Amino acid sequence: DAGITQSPRYKITETGRQVTLMCHQTWSHSYMFWYRQDLGHGLRLIYYSAAADITDKGEVPDGYVVSRSKTENFPLTLESATRSQTSVYFCASSPTFPGPEGYEQYFGPGTRLTVT
Amino acid sequence: AQTVTQSQPEMSVQEAETVTLSCTYDTSENNYYLFWYKQPPSRQMILVIRQEAYKQQNATENRFSVNFQKAAKSFSLKISDSQLGDTAMYFCAFMKHKNDYKLSFGAGTTVTVRA
Repeated sequence: DAGITQSPRYKITETGRQVTLMCHQTWSHSYMFWYRQDLGHGLRLIYYSAAADITDKGEVPDGYVVSRSKTENFPLTLESATRSQTSVYFCASSPTFPGPEGYEQYFGPGTRLTVT
Repeated sequence: AQTVTQSQPEMSVQEAETVTLSCTYDTSENNYYLFWYKQPPSRQMILVIRQEAYKQQNATENRFSVNFQKAAKSFSLKISDSQLGDTAMYFCAFMKHKNDYKLSFGAGTTVTVRA
């Protein structure tokens, strides 16, 4: 029962390079999300997806691209990394219908990205 | 985006004591959802407790309980009998209605439990 995984866990890249963060979930959840965590801001939504081939912008989408060709994968690409994109990135998933306890998002372990 | 405010950046509590974390939010919605997530040093986000706005009864989960004041748009978390394992950052989060699914988070409160 892998749940939701992210790779890599740590990444250092240079300004201007393209980098892709991977997210994979084994629950067949419809909804998937990408957040970034920065001190003083909590978590902010970058992009989300309601199903395969359906994606939409969140609060801070500039500089990021997502795709979702398969339900279980939701990669996040920084097309030309900038220092302001240094952050911890979290992927999360959620089923369409809540469980008996109610709505919940399930989070991956996070990726710490440093742009030098 | 919805505004979620956590006004206490850091709090410290003695083991076995009680600590209360505050959260306020701004919304014009009526049937929304509120959550408290815990992030220990491992960085893993863990759901602590959730509250549905249409339910007047405050949610409880073992040592964790909330005080939900809908009119005041306030959603505080009380941790009773604090344990060393409660040391973590705590985030308040808001979902504006059941078909929205997106979460808006507060900035977080770091809780340190002292032995």
